[in-house]
Amino acid sequence: EAGVTQFPSHSVIEKGQTVTLRCDPISGHDNLYWYRRVMGKEIKFLLHFVKESKQDESGMPNNRFLAERTGGTYSTLKVQPAELEDSGVYFCASSQESDGLNTEAFFGQGTRLTVV
Amino acid sequence: AQKITQTQPGMFVQEKEAVTLDCTYDTSDPSYGLFWYKQPSSGEMIFLIYQGSYDQQNATEGRYSLNFQKARKSANLVISASQLGDSAMYFCAMREGWNFNKFYFGSGTKLNVKP
Repeated sequence: EAGVTQFPSHSVIEKGQTVTLRCDPISGHDNLYWYRRVMGKEIKFLLHFVKESKQDESGMPNNRFLAERTGGTYSTLKVQPAELEDSGVYFCASSQESDGLNTEAFFGQGTRLTVV
Repeated sequence: AQKITQTQPGMFVQEKEAVTLDCTYDTSDPSYGLFWYKQPSSGEMIFLIYQGSYDQQNATEGRYSLNFQKARKSANLVISASQLGDSAMYFCAMREGWNFNKFYFGSGTKLNVKP
């Protein structure tokens, strides 16, 4: 079975441009999460979807970030316009419906975004 | 305040020796879960081991064990008999019972296993 896949693996864009990151969760996983790691820092929570609904978006840095999950399958994270401080690795994770403390979240390989 | 603290940015260990990666956490929730993830150079995050706050015994998974000291709020990862393939970034993470949708991660420890 395919794991969580993210596209692209790397993206280099200029400040002010728009970038869209995509995440395909494991089939059947209702929970989808976005996380971000800025260089050398901890991985930080951005938001959580349950199916197509945003359950918690308290980690989204500002309104330049827009996440969607139409149809409850794949998700996109758009940054518009991108700023230098948006550079980092964006991780997507998914988990099954019975989400509890010990439910494992499966992570993708991440998208490395560099804004120049 | 930082929820998860990993104080070792980088560690070296000789192949076949054991190594301990430190992790301390901060929470007032009596119900929480602690995780360790491995991130090799390929980028994916691989789940290694889980410890629940009410678990009486330390978690073990093969060569991985978690040294859980609740009073000290520490959850150190012990890797026994290190292998070259263990070279990777290691992240400690926590979920709290009141909002278990969120993982809180540390900044990671880069482990290098020397032949």
